[in-house]
Amino acid sequence: DAKTTQPTSMDCAEGRAANLPCNHSTISGNEYVYWYRQIHSQGPQYIIHGLKNNETNEMASLIITEDRKSSTLILPHATLRDTAVYYCIVRGVSMNYGGATNKLIFGTGTLLAVQP
Amino acid sequence: DGGITQSPKYLFRKEGQNVTLSCEQNLNHDAMYWYRQDPGQGLRLIYYSQIVNDFQKGDIAEGYSVSREKKESFPLTVTSAQKNPTAFYLCATGRTEAFFGQGTRLTVV
Repeated sequence: DAKTTQPTSMDCAEGRAANLPCNHSTISGNEYVYWYRQIHSQGPQYIIHGLKNNETNEMASLIITEDRKSSTLILPHATLRDTAVYYCIVRGVSMNYGGATNKLIFGTGTLLAVQP
Repeated sequence: DGGITQSPKYLFRKEGQNVTLSCEQNLNHDAMYWYRQDPGQGLRLIYYSQIVNDFQKGDIAEGYSVSREKKESFPLTVTSAQKNPTAFYLCATGRTEAFFGQGTRLTVV
């Protein structure tokens, strides 16, 4: 699985958009970009994933550059409850058992602090 | 969360004792995973299983053992061979999207 690079921490004002960047310059063609977040002392929560098209769901939007070497997670209206560590992960998804690995490799993520 | 149950939430053991952490899921997922998290660190993969009766070592399998006798269950045993067992342990299931339990915080004294 390709490695990712994220800033250690970011601040965002409550009600504003939070834009969290991620670099994944060694991503290969069949690897997806996943985002999870972890609120203190809880299990990580899935947010969104994508391959090359931009994606949006009820939680966030994912913008992937055309060369797929970087992406941005956007929380459109950050609230205090969005304060968490956000992990960007690239991962190959295979439907085969045995040799294929669908494991998620976590880095240290970005601590997003939403300020009132 | 959402059908994954880890128990207990907090666990204390004496040094040198084996301890087994429970992970049960009712999501009918084939794949299950165990991760370890140390303070201020990301998650590191211990073991994973993609199907019943099969499992693979992750990046830090030494000192741990698992079994996968049923689809719903993937228990993790922390053995006395694990040098630094005190950590937060997370179980996950799923294939495309992984769903995590709420974790077990193990403290060895």
